[in-house]
Amino acid sequence: AQTVTQSQPEMSVQEAETVTLSCTYDTSESDYYLFWYKQPPSRQMILVIRQEAYKQQNATENRFSVNFQKAAKSFSLKISDSQLGDAAMYFCAYRSPSNTGTASKLTFGTGTRLQVTL
Amino acid sequence: DAGITQSPRHKVTETGTPVTLRCHQTENHRYMYWYRQDPGHGLRLIHYSYGVKDTDKGEVSDGYSVSRSKTEDFLLTLESATSSQTSVYFCAISEYRDGQPQHFGDGTRLSIL
Repeated sequence: AQTVTQSQPEMSVQEAETVTLSCTYDTSESDYYLFWYKQPPSRQMILVIRQEAYKQQNATENRFSVNFQKAAKSFSLKISDSQLGDAAMYFCAYRSPSNTGTASKLTFGTGTRLQVTL
Repeated sequence: DAGITQSPRHKVTETGTPVTLRCHQTENHRYMYWYRQDPGHGLRLIHYSYGVKDTDKGEVSDGYSVSRSKTEDFLLTLESATSSQTSVYFCAISEYRDGQPQHFGDGTRLSIL
C-alpha cells in the first residue's frame, strides 16, 4: 500500500519570503500522480498543483512549484513571495493510474499547517 | 468551481441514531468518494463509487455504508452513529481519465454526542 509522509506538522514564513513544504511517499508503482491541496480555514480543499511521475520537468503554477525527485520518492512544494492568503493547511496526496483497478483513490499525508507572518 | 454540493453542512446528533450525508454533483463524473478528516490523520477514504450501483470500501469503512442510485448522488450512511464517527466528512469527484485531480465538496461537520 502507498503511504504519504509529511514530517513538518507546522511551518512559518514571513510575508514575501519563500518556504518549502516536504512530502515523501512510498510506492512500488512506476507510474502515478502527485498533488498538493490547500485547505484554508474555510475548510475547502483546493488543488494547488499536480505532477505526473513520468514527467521529469517539475510542475509550476504561478508562485507555487514542486521539486519532484522520483528516485528519492520526494515531492516538496515551494511557495515563493508568500502572501497572507497562503496561510492554510497543505496536504500532499498520491494517486495511482486509473488502469490499476483502484479507482484512482487519493492517499493523503497528515498535512502541514503554514503560518504567514508580517 | 466543480459543482459539488454536500448536505447538510453541519449536523449534531446522538449516539445510536442513523445519519445520512448526501453528495450531489452536476459534473457527470464517474468516480465519487467519501473521506473523513480527523486531526493527525489527514483525509482517509471511507468508500468510493466507480459507477451507478458500483461501490467499494476504503481504508476506514467499518460502521459506514454507501449507495449510488444515480450518477449525480452518492449517499453515506451511518446506521448507528458512535462518538468515534464525529468528524468532518468530504465528498470528492473525479473523471475517468489519468491524472485528473479529485475535486472536493465543502465538507460536512458531524458531531455525535
